Amino acid sequence: AQSVTQLDSQVPVFEEAPVELRCNYSSSVSVYLFWYVQYPNQGLQLLLKYLSGSTLVESINGFEAEFNKSQTSFHLRKPSVHISDTAEYFCAVRGSSYDKVIFGPGTSLSVIP
Amino acid sequence: EAQVTQNPRYLITVTGKKLTVTCSQNMNHEYMSWYRQDPGLGLRQIYYSMNVEVTDKGDVPEGYKVSRKEKRNFPLILESPSPNQTSLYFCASSSRRASSSYEQYFGPGTRLTVT
Repeated sequence: AQSVTQLDSQVPVFEEAPVELRCNYSSSVSVYLFWYVQYPNQGLQLLLKYLSGSTLVESINGFEAEFNKSQTSFHLRKPSVHISDTAEYFCAVRGSSYDKVIFGPGTSLSVIP
Repeated sequence: EAQVTQNPRYLITVTGKKLTVTCSQNMNHEYMSWYRQDPGLGLRQIYYSMNVEVTDKGDVPEGYKVSRKEKRNFPLILESPSPNQTSLYFCASSSRRASSSYEQYFGPGTRLTVT
């Protein structure tokens, strides 16, 4: 069975500091990996994804994540956060050969001025 | 505008009173799914549908029903709601085509309270 772990439930960080949000997964099959962001009182929207190819993927707003198959991780990083990055971040896994999607419990990022 | 819509956005009901939450998408997506979001648990998949008339259970299907009679609609039915179904519900859709990104598009959410 698949599972997703996000070890940090809350991450406070000062504005312009770097941040890393951790995601580990377990799966016996090939997977697609996603990071979604949920701003307060909104639905989820895709931040970035790994399907195949380059293991380093980037988003348009400065986030990046690296797929590490040996460590079964897909950590999210940003070198300098802004107040507007305050949100809940969810890591998700979907099997490449089937449709069930598993989400992690989420990490609440709070950017402190 | 490409979107997933849900109705109602807020609902307060009593135990045992049947209810339906509607979900509709205008992107011709094959895949649709329902999730519930609870504090500390993230999103848990209730049911998903790969196409019309094809549905399957997610991780927490007990107490819920779904149907997929049309490609654009995927209603969630609670035949006899109970207080433990109080939650925030999200509908999502995505393409299943090999050329797609498998990105899910989420609706705005339905906050359900069962008293």
